[in-house]
Amino acid sequence: DAKTTQPPSMDCAEGRAANLPCNHSTISGNEYVYWYRQIHSQGPQYIIHGLKNNETNEMASLIITEDRKSSTLILPHATLRDTAVYYCIVRVLGSQGNLIFGKGTKLSVKP
Amino acid sequence: SQTIHQWPATLVQPVGSPLSLECTVEGTSNPNLYWYRQAAGRGLQLLFYSVGIGQISSEVPQNLSASRPQDRQFILSSKKLLLSDSGFYLCAWARDPNTGELFFGEGSRLTVL
Repeated sequence: DAKTTQPPSMDCAEGRAANLPCNHSTISGNEYVYWYRQIHSQGPQYIIHGLKNNETNEMASLIITEDRKSSTLILPHATLRDTAVYYCIVRVLGSQGNLIFGKGTKLSVKP
Repeated sequence: SQTIHQWPATLVQPVGSPLSLECTVEGTSNPNLYWYRQAAGRGLQLLFYSVGIGQISSEVPQNLSASRPQDRQFILSSKKLLLSDSGFYLCAWARDPNTGELFFGEGSRLTVL
């Protein structure tokens, strides 16, 4: 079973920041938080991951709370192409990469 | 460059027929390979993963099997398909098993009638 909880759906206006929350209250000290997204009928795409510090790359920013029980993925300027299902996953580093996906959040970016 | 390919992209099969989905990776060696299935409206379910030739780990017992005959080839098979085998099958590889960063293929959509 997935160890994360995400809202099933969210809307965001084009050009605005999209903030996607994830609850992982049972996360262990050696588990990382990963985010993937899946555009309709395509394979999932890796976005970002982190342990406890905030992370940023060319796609998004990841904000992890100090107690690590929740995190937020931020798409700073959402575009229509960011419409997708976003998955938040927790995983122990080095565990052979077998990620367990939940149902994710369906983000709809509207013009 | 490193790429991953799956085929066929779509197929419609009758109940009881066999299945073979193939996945190949290019531009890397000794990758960790994975098969996931996504049923309609649901998240991804890990089916099998392989850390090397002939090494297969099954996450969920079911009507499917996997094989890794070559370093960069991963095959998903069934001897007799069930209606419940319908879904979107995704192959993935880990460039670095330690980082959890998976790269997915284009997917194979299977409809069992």
